[in-house]
Amino acid sequence: GAVVSQHPSRVICKSGTSVKIECRSLDFQATTMFWYRQFPKKSLMLMATSNEGSKATYEQGVEKDKFLINHASLTLSTLTVTSAHPEDSSFYICSAREDRGYGYTFGSGTRLTVV
Amino acid sequence: AQSVTQLDSQVPVFEEAPVELRCNYSSSVSVYLFWYVQYPNQGLQLLLKYLSGSTLVESINGFEAEFNKSQTSFHLRKPSVHISDTAEYFCAVSDTGNQFYFGTGTSLTVIP
Repeated sequence: GAVVSQHPSRVICKSGTSVKIECRSLDFQATTMFWYRQFPKKSLMLMATSNEGSKATYEQGVEKDKFLINHASLTLSTLTVTSAHPEDSSFYICSAREDRGYGYTFGSGTRLTVV
Repeated sequence: AQSVTQLDSQVPVFEEAPVELRCNYSSSVSVYLFWYVQYPNQGLQLLLKYLSGSTLVESINGFEAEFNKSQTSFHLRKPSVHISDTAEYFCAVSDTGNQFYFGTGTSLTVIP
C-alpha cells in the first residue's frame, strides 16, 4: 500500500532557530500534500495545502512567513518552521493524496519541541 | 462547509466488552467518511472509510462503521475490544476529496 515517510520523527531545537520537516511519498506520486498541526488533546488543524510546482495554500490564521512550505517534486514536500518559538512546539503531520485513484495517506508525524 | 462532531471525548471500556464511538457530521453535499486511529506519538492510520455502496464498512481488526444518511452519522463499533485497541480515534469527512475535516477525537481506553 501507499506509504508516506515523514522525517524527523522528533526534533528539539533552540528558540530562534529554524527546523525543516520532510514528507515523502515512497511509492506513489502526490501532486497534493497537506500539513496538519495537532495540539495536545486536540484534533488536527489543517495548516496548508502543498501543491507541486506552485505556492502552497495556507489556511486562515497560519503565518506564511513562519511556516514555509516547498513542494519541489511529486514525491517531496517540506515544512520549515522559521525562527521557532516555544509556542510552535507541537505535533506536525503530513498527508499525501495519491494522484491515481482516491486515497490519503498520513505520515507518522514529527514531534517538535522548542526550548 | 462540513463539520464533524465526536460527542465523547473519552470512552473507558472493559476488555472484551462492546464499544461504540459516535460521529455525526453536517454537510449539504455528498461526503466521504473516514475513521482514523492514532497511537501515542504516531501519525494517523486509516481504520475504514465509506465512499459509496454498502453503508456498512468493516476493518480488518474487527471494527465496523455504518453510514446513516438520514441521521448524518458514521458511528464506529466493535463487539469485543482488546487492550491493543487503546488509542485516539478520529472521525473525518471529505466532500471533494481535497480536504479533510476532523472531529476532535475520542480517546478509547480499554481496561483489563
